[in-house]
Amino acid sequence: NAGVTQTPKFRILKIGQSMTLQCAQDMNHNYMYWYRQDPGMGLKLIYYSVGAGITDKGEVPNGYNVSRSTTEDFPLRLELAAPSQTSVYFCASSPRSPVNTEAFFGQGTRLTVV
Amino acid sequence: AQKVTQAQTEISVVEKEDVTLDCVYETRDTTYYLFWYKQPPSGELVFLIRRNSFDEQNEISGRYSWNFQKSTSSFNFTITASQVVDSAVYFCALSPFRGGGNKLTFGTGTQLKVEL
Repeated sequence: NAGVTQTPKFRILKIGQSMTLQCAQDMNHNYMYWYRQDPGMGLKLIYYSVGAGITDKGEVPNGYNVSRSTTEDFPLRLELAAPSQTSVYFCASSPRSPVNTEAFFGQGTRLTVV
Repeated sequence: AQKVTQAQTEISVVEKEDVTLDCVYETRDTTYYLFWYKQPPSGELVFLIRRNSFDEQNEISGRYSWNFQKSTSSFNFTITASQVVDSAVYFCALSPFRGGGNKLTFGTGTQLKVEL
């Protein structure tokens, strides 16, 4: 039971570098999400997707891009890393059903931009 | 806009004490979901409960109980007979009922420390 898998678990980036945070789920969930958690704070929604080919912005999308070419994968792209993007990033997924259900979260990716 | 307020930044208790974590929310939606998540020191998020706005019945699960009061926009969480393993950050969260999936708005969390 893999659930939601995020890679890498840790990463240090230099200012201006780019990287992609990977997220994969094996539960055939339609909805996928990216959140960031800054120190001492709650999670904030960056982007979400309701299905392959469909993405939309969340509360804090600036500096990020996403794509959803398959049901399973939802990568998050940082184009020009900035110190303000130092955070823990969580990917989550949930099924589409008539009734909302809880999200299943990955283990997180801790990103430091120096 | 949705907002979740957890006014208690940190709570320290001695093992076996009861503790209540407060959560107050704001939303213009008439239907919505409320959640509690636990984040232990290892960092993962552990789902505890989901409650829809239709159902104001209190819920009990073992040592955990939740009090939902729509009239005061509160969804408080009580741990009875706390244990050291309960030490964690607890988040209250809110999501739309329709079309929102799990577009969660989180509070800033309450750090609970349970000491021997």
